[in-house]
Amino acid sequence: EVQLVESGGGLVQPGGSLRLSCAASGFTFSSYEMNWVRQAPGKGLEWVSYISSSGSTIYYADSVKGRFTISRDNAKNSLYLQMNSLRAEDTAVYYCARVFDSGYSDYWGQGTLVTVSS
Amino acid sequence: EIVMTQSPATLSVSPGERATLSCRASQSVSSNLAWYQQKPGQAPRLLIYGASTRATGIPARFSGSGSGTEFTLTISSLQSEDFAVYYCQQYNNWPPIFGGGTKVEIK
Repeated sequence: EVQLVESGGGLVQPGGSLRLSCAASGFTFSSYEMNWVRQAPGKGLEWVSYISSSGSTIYYADSVKGRFTISRDNAKNSLYLQMNSLRAEDTAVYYCARVFDSGYSDYWGQGTLVTVSS
Repeated sequence: EIVMTQSPATLSVSPGERATLSCRASQSVSSNLAWYQQKPGQAPRLLIYGASTRATGIPARFSGSGSGTEFTLTISSLQSEDFAVYYCQQYNNWPPIFGGGTKVEIK
């Protein structure tokens, strides 16, 4: 059974940093591309970042470029999102999601809430 | 950047009735479109990919159609568990963009 479990969310002050993790199991993690997708309270879904299976190709949404860094450790079956210079508008539930066919997300984690507030 | 527009924002439907949700892309996305269902407090769940292919385990009452810029998700006979928010997402071009969602509520 495919499982994705996010962790690392919490309350952080504006300008602060947070590192999210996503532990994957039930599939060959190293063979799959991964996304981070977020959802602000009461709002829709927003794609945040993408990483290829090897980690050699990475993309970011303009809204987080230069502040967020996606990475992965295939030996540990883990995906990460380092978030720096956090802003109030980064407040959201952050989901990690497995990417299939270089496009859609076929499995999602349960999400971790990041709240940026003083 | 492609803009994905979903309509209506809210759809009120009685159980057992048919629901038709629309998604429009600002430029052609070919058939590279997915639909997701999200219930309150839960993660999104993939329903449809390739505009019309049901994901594993998705009931046959869910169907997708369209190509290019106009897409439709049809739920043939709404069950109680189908009341949720539905999102479309294009993956033909970077970045992958989601529509704003359609909430299907009980009439």
